[in-house]
Amino acid sequence: DTEVTQTPKHLVMGMTNKKSLKCEQHMGHRAMYWYKQKAKKPPELMFVYSYEKLSINESVPSRFSPECPNSSLLNLHLHALQPEDSALYLCASSLRREGGWTEAFFGQGTRLTVV
Amino acid sequence: GDSVTQMEGPVTLSEEAFLTINCTYTATGYPSLFWYVQYPGEGLQLLLKATKADDKGSNKGFEATYRKETTSFHLEKGSVQVSDSAVYFCALRRGGSGNTPLVFGKGTRLSVIA
Repeated sequence: DTEVTQTPKHLVMGMTNKKSLKCEQHMGHRAMYWYKQKAKKPPELMFVYSYEKLSINESVPSRFSPECPNSSLLNLHLHALQPEDSALYLCASSLRREGGWTEAFFGQGTRLTVV
Repeated sequence: GDSVTQMEGPVTLSEEAFLTINCTYTATGYPSLFWYVQYPGEGLQLLLKATKADDKGSNKGFEATYRKETTSFHLEKGSVQVSDSAVYFCALRRGGSGNTPLVFGKGTRLSVIA
């Protein structure tokens, strides 16, 4: 299995809803990432988990709450979002090798629309 | 801090034309360099990579050489196809044992017309 799988592919939610994005990989990667990508922009890093521990939080608002329940799964819990949070949310993972971490492998993303 | 600068797009080419997308970087130490491609409505796919000076990454007819003296990693393809239409991102990751995040350029949109 050489994929990063994200569900759902599309999500429409109201500003008072609570929803979760899911990401799964079975490549034995021990780093997982959440990125946010707006149209015509590069991905912006949100969170990094290394060995299931949160290692980087790029000053993301608390309405986004990440969770890494095990080495294969990564969740992003969403609550009280704003319309400007509408974007493509990308999950990625990396493998630890001697000398450093490999390139990031990306999922197909979840297209989120907040109404 | 670390940064990546890509040529601004969009770039429009006819099928079978030669492609160059320029990428230069600023980083401490010896970063690894990457080109990612994003097709419409999809996530990012790794196109090619190079981890040390003078390495050449290649894939699907695309090539890029890690030039430390010019801090560059330009993407080239000899003959583009309509199916190459996508957004291309140059990126770096600083070397070392820490899990430093990828730093992306702003992306270059390529349109290939038949």
